[in-house]
Amino acid sequence: AQSVAQPEDQVNVAEGNPLTVKCTYSVSGNPYLFWYVQYPNRGLQFLLKYITGDNLVKGSYGFEAEFNKSQTSFHLKKPSALVSDSALYFCAVRVPYSSASKIIFGSGTRLSIRP
Amino acid sequence: NAGVTQTPKFRILKIGQSMTLQCTQDMNHNYMYWYRQDPGMGLKLIYYSVGAGITDKGEVPNGYNVSRSTTEDFPLRLELAAPSQTSVYFCASIPGQGSYEQYFGPGTRLTVT
Repeated sequence: AQSVAQPEDQVNVAEGNPLTVKCTYSVSGNPYLFWYVQYPNRGLQFLLKYITGDNLVKGSYGFEAEFNKSQTSFHLKKPSALVSDSALYFCAVRVPYSSASKIIFGSGTRLSIRP
Repeated sequence: NAGVTQTPKFRILKIGQSMTLQCTQDMNHNYMYWYRQDPGMGLKLIYYSVGAGITDKGEVPNGYNVSRSTTEDFPLRLELAAPSQTSVYFCASIPGQGSYEQYFGPGTRLTVT
């Protein structure tokens, strides 16, 4: 069965430091992977995706993610954190062969950036 | 474009009451989805639709119904509300097959007491 895991409920980082939010996946076939961000009382916003090609994908707000097939991971990264990056982050994987482009979400990681 | 809009923003229901959560998108997207978000659980897919007149169940469809009479609207119906349906509900859409980035509405926070 397809699944995605975010092992950390919360990540705390000082402003200006690099940040990493971890995600691992389990899926049959080639994975289509996504990161979404949710600000308080808002819907989710798409950050970036990996479909194929370069293992390092760049997205919105200076975020990037590294696809690692051997470790089945898709960690979200940013070189220098901002207080405004504080939010809830979700990793997601597309259900293979889904004609409706269904995706499965991880449980979320709350990122807190302290000034 | 307003994108994906949802009404109401908040609602409190008594056990056994019914209600409809509204979802409308003005992007001419074919595919639409309903999710519920419970604390620490991520999002679970309730129902989805790949076009007007076509709907199908997701992971957690029990206690809900949907219809899709137009491309724009995808309402979610709760017939007999139960405390287990207390959650935040999100509607999302994508243009269609081959598209992957989902566009989300702002959500409806529902409490059943």
